[in-house]
This record gives sequence, structure tokens and C-alpha cells, in this order.
Amino acid sequence: AQSVTQLDSHVSVSEGTPVLLRCNYSSSYSPSLFWYVQHPNKGLQLLLKYTSAATLVKGINGFEAEFKKSETSFHLTKPSAHMSDAAEYFCVVRGGGGGNKLTFGTGTQLKVEL
Amino acid sequence: DAGVTQSPTHLIKTRGQQVTLRCSPKSGHDTVSWYQQALGQGPQFIFQYYEEEERQRGNFPDRFSGHQFPNYSSELNVNALLLGDSALYLCASSGQGGRETQYFGPGTRLLVL
Repeated sequence: AQSVTQLDSHVSVSEGTPVLLRCNYSSSYSPSLFWYVQHPNKGLQLLLKYTSAATLVKGINGFEAEFKKSETSFHLTKPSAHMSDAAEYFCVVRGGGGGNKLTFGTGTQLKVEL
Repeated sequence: DAGVTQSPTHLIKTRGQQVTLRCSPKSGHDTVSWYQQALGQGPQFIFQYYEEEERQRGNFPDRFSGHQFPNYSSELNVNALLLGDSALYLCASSGQGGRETQYFGPGTRLLVL
């Protein structure tokens, strides 16, 4: 079965400092992986996706993620946090059960302080 | 180009009632998936519709049912509502039979009293 594990439920950073949100995946084959962001009382917005092309994936708003097969990881990073980055972030894997369903991690709440 | 739209935005029901939620996919998309997001949790897959048929289903009881129309829009129906059905219900659409990236609507917030 496909699954993802987000290693931190809460991350707090200062504005202007780097962001690292950690995600490990489990998959029996080469996975399609995504990061989505959810701002309070909003739907989910796609940040970036990995679908077996380049292992370093660039997304919106300066975020990027690196697919590391040897470590089964797909960590999300940003060089410099902005107050507007405060939100819930979900690591997601697609597939499993013979279909295209998305399986979400438990989420990481990012807090950005002045 | 309109994205994924959902209606209504909010809904209050009482236990035992039935509810219907609606979703219009992004232009050019043919597949609709529904997810339930309880407070403080990640979304959970309910089911996916393609070519007007349920193609894949998550671990939800038969009280949850759906439909997809010829114009690719979709409905989610929940019968015999329970307090535990209170959640944000998210619709996502994708193209190429679901092989493309899923884009989410803003959700319908359902409160069951």
C-alpha cells in the first residue's frame, strides 16, 4: 500500500529563515508525490509535484522538493520564509488500490514568526 | 478559466437527515474525486468518478454515494447523517481519466447537529 509519513506535526521558523518540512514515503513502485498547502478555512492548493522526471522539483512561491529514492524521502524546502507561508502543508502520494486516489499525510502546521 | 467549484459553501443538518453536495470540475477535466477532511486531520479519499461510474472507493460506508453527470459534474450524497460526518468535503478534478494532477475546490463545510 502507498503511504506517506510527515515527520513533524508543527514547525516554527522566523521570517527570512529557511523552511524544511519532512516527508517519507512508502511505495511498491516509483511513486507520484505532491505537496499541497491549505491556508485557514481554504481548499487545497498544489505547491509542486514529482512524477519521475527531474528529482529536484520547483514549485510555486519559492518552494522546492527533492525526491531521494535511497532515503524514500520527499522533503519540502524554501530558502527564506515569509509570513504568508504560515499554513498547513500536506505530503501526498498518488495511486494504490488500482486507481489514482490521493493518500495524504497527517499534515505539518507551519508557523512563521517575526 | 474557472477552477473547481463546489456548492454550497456551508451546510447545517441534523442527525438522520440526508445531504447532497455538488461539484463542477475544472474545464477539460473528466474525473472527479471526493475527500472528507475532519477537523485537524488530512483529507481521506471517499471515491472517484470517471465516465459516470464509480471507479475507486475508499473506506467509507454505503451511506456515502455519488453520481457523475454527462457534463462531468458530480454529486456526493450522504444518508442517515451522523455527528461524525461533520467535516469539510473536498472535491478534486483531474484529466485523462485521473492520471493528471488533481485540483481541489474550496470545499463544503458540513455541520451535523
